Amino acid sequence: AQKVTQAQTEISVVEKEDVTLDCVYETRDTTYYLFWYKQPPSGELVFLIRRNSFDEQNEISGRYSWNFQKSTSSFNFTITASQVVDSAVYFCALSEPRYGGATNKLIFGTGTLLAVQP
Amino acid sequence: DSGVTQTPKHLITATGQRVTLRCSPRSGDLSVYWYQQSLDQGLQFLIQYYNGEERAKGNILERFSAQQFPDLHSELNLSSLELGDSALYFCASSPQGRYQETQYFGPGTRLLVL
Repeated sequence: AQKVTQAQTEISVVEKEDVTLDCVYETRDTTYYLFWYKQPPSGELVFLIRRNSFDEQNEISGRYSWNFQKSTSSFNFTITASQVVDSAVYFCALSEPRYGGATNKLIFGTGTLLAVQP
Repeated sequence: DSGVTQTPKHLITATGQRVTLRCSPRSGDLSVYWYQQSLDQGLQFLIQYYNGEERAKGNILERFSAQQFPDLHSELNLSSLELGDSALYFCASSPQGRYQETQYFGPGTRLLVL
């Protein structure tokens, strides 16, 4: 069965601290995609990153970095030098292409609420 | 701004009523997905349409239905509403081709059933 686990329900840090959000997934497929989305207090879901199962390269985008490890089925997200604007709920998600790629429904984790204090 | 639009932003209604949520995908996107976000269930996939045809179904109640029109906008109809249907309903669309698995979400419709 497909499953995404975000064990950290809430994390509170002080501005400029580094913080890592954990994501562990379960799938029996060899082809799958992993995502991170951000949901700020305003409520919208903002796409941050997509990673396919064949690409284990870590990625860095500004203060954000992602560490994908197939051996541990993890796709962790690190924010360096956190800022108050980073305060949001962060969701990790998994999709497995079905029907020749015709559907890619997302399976979300329960989210991690990150509070960055000034 | 993802390019996906949803109306209305907020909806307050009573139990037993019926409402329609509307979504316009990003320009050029043929796939539309609907998700429900509630406190007890989290973010759950409801249904997907691709170019007017239903492509996949998730945990969608029989009281709920959806369709995608020729101009590619989609509507989610919720009927015989119950208190437990109060939630944030998201629409998402995805592009064709290489990044078709990436979904871009609209701002959501917040439904409150009283």
